[in-house]
Amino acid sequence: SAVISQKPSRDICQRGTSLTIQCQVDSQVTMMFWYRQQPGQSLTLIATANQGSEATYESGFVIDKFPISRPNLTFSTLTVSNMSPEDSSIYLCSVAKEVSYEQYFGPGTRLTVT
Amino acid sequence: KQEVTQIPAALSVPEGENLVLNCSFTDSAIYNLQWFRQDPGKGLTSLLLIQSSQREQTSGRLNASLDKSSGRSTLYIAASQPGDSATYLCAATGANSKLTFGKGITLSVRP
Repeated sequence: SAVISQKPSRDICQRGTSLTIQCQVDSQVTMMFWYRQQPGQSLTLIATANQGSEATYESGFVIDKFPISRPNLTFSTLTVSNMSPEDSSIYLCSVAKEVSYEQYFGPGTRLTVT
Repeated sequence: KQEVTQIPAALSVPEGENLVLNCSFTDSAIYNLQWFRQDPGKGLTSLLLIQSSQREQTSGRLNASLDKSSGRSTLYIAASQPGDSATYLCAATGANSKLTFGKGITLSVRP
């Protein structure tokens, strides 16, 4: 298994500002992902965080709105830019040791945009 | 495009009952299927992973089965307890480890 921490655990932000969420894993992993869970909904994949290169975004998500960094095999950040109330969600990172291995999730960051 | 369905959306049972949670998926070309538990306001806890070549996996009172040909998976919970109350999500793993989630089943076990 993997132990994953996320910072911050929650935040309340003003419309038009940006928030950077950090994800730290206790061991090196090949795969890291960012998901969004909107209120009352299931999880939707935002992007795959690639170490040392640009993230791979899913349909409906763009780099200008959700820039992602992954400088090494244990750390990644997701920035939610120019926030609006529609961005209020729980943001979760997940990791897998290798492709198609079991995925583990962080505790999530609960974001409220006012 | 993979679609994962979990029905019903909510379930309430008395303590001690054995129960089955259903999950169906449209694309049988999956690498594996995972079941997760999510408590209110929390992240996801991985419960069981079934590889595409496997038929079932067991962990304690939990047993998950997978039938790729019919696009179905079930999570069996034996002797349910109030502490089992949570939302249970299934997720199918596609290419590049991408998970497609169902909407989850919110389980309430009444004492």
